[in-house]
Amino acid sequence: DVKVTQSSRYLVKRTGEKVFLECVQDMDHENMFWYRQDPGLGLRLIYFSYDVKMKEKGDIPEGYSVSREKKERFSLILESASTNQTSMYLCASSLKGGRAPNEQFFGPGTRLTVL
Amino acid sequence: QKEVEQDPGPLSVPEGAIVSLNCTYSNSAFQYFMWYRQYSRKGPELLMYTYSSGNKEDGRFTAQVDKSSKYISLFIRDSQPSDSATYLCATRRVNFNKFYFGSGTKLNVKP
Repeated sequence: DVKVTQSSRYLVKRTGEKVFLECVQDMDHENMFWYRQDPGLGLRLIYFSYDVKMKEKGDIPEGYSVSREKKERFSLILESASTNQTSMYLCASSLKGGRAPNEQFFGPGTRLTVL
Repeated sequence: QKEVEQDPGPLSVPEGAIVSLNCTYSNSAFQYFMWYRQYSRKGPELLMYTYSSGNKEDGRFTAQVDKSSKYISLFIRDSQPSDSATYLCATRRVNFNKFYFGSGTKLNVKP
């Protein structure tokens, strides 16, 4: 059974704290993605990575950074958490782009609240 | 303009109704079209995908793409309360890794 796991389901942090969200996949996928999901705004891509140590900015990278030191693990870092980063964070993985649809498999999400 | 537009709903229907969910997209280079279903407090899961234009059927679900009008549809026949979820359309170009998602339509099927 394919699996994407995220380190926490719920997280509460204070403004200014450094926050780490971890994602692990066991499918040997090349691509990994971080999204945030907000009501009315849908899924917005923060960053993605298509290989170890490679990363590309998505649509809303400001205030975030990422790290991919191993193929199976992709970390999202909030350098200094702010209240407008309160959101649901979803990690996904997929095979490299090609002719197949290359489905993205999602983790269960982390509900982050910044106070 | 967003790459993919989707009516957020919510959509409430009685059990047994036919449901139509729709999206429009702007980039004619998109070739793969997908529908994801997301239950409350879970991550999205792929429901169906189609390549280029045409229909695809899977049980009670039919996905339809009209590339001439850049329109994506998902039809659910004989809807069940267990179909209550948020449905997201998604699309991408061939040989590109990035997916473009609609904002999701929340569906409630009442018993």
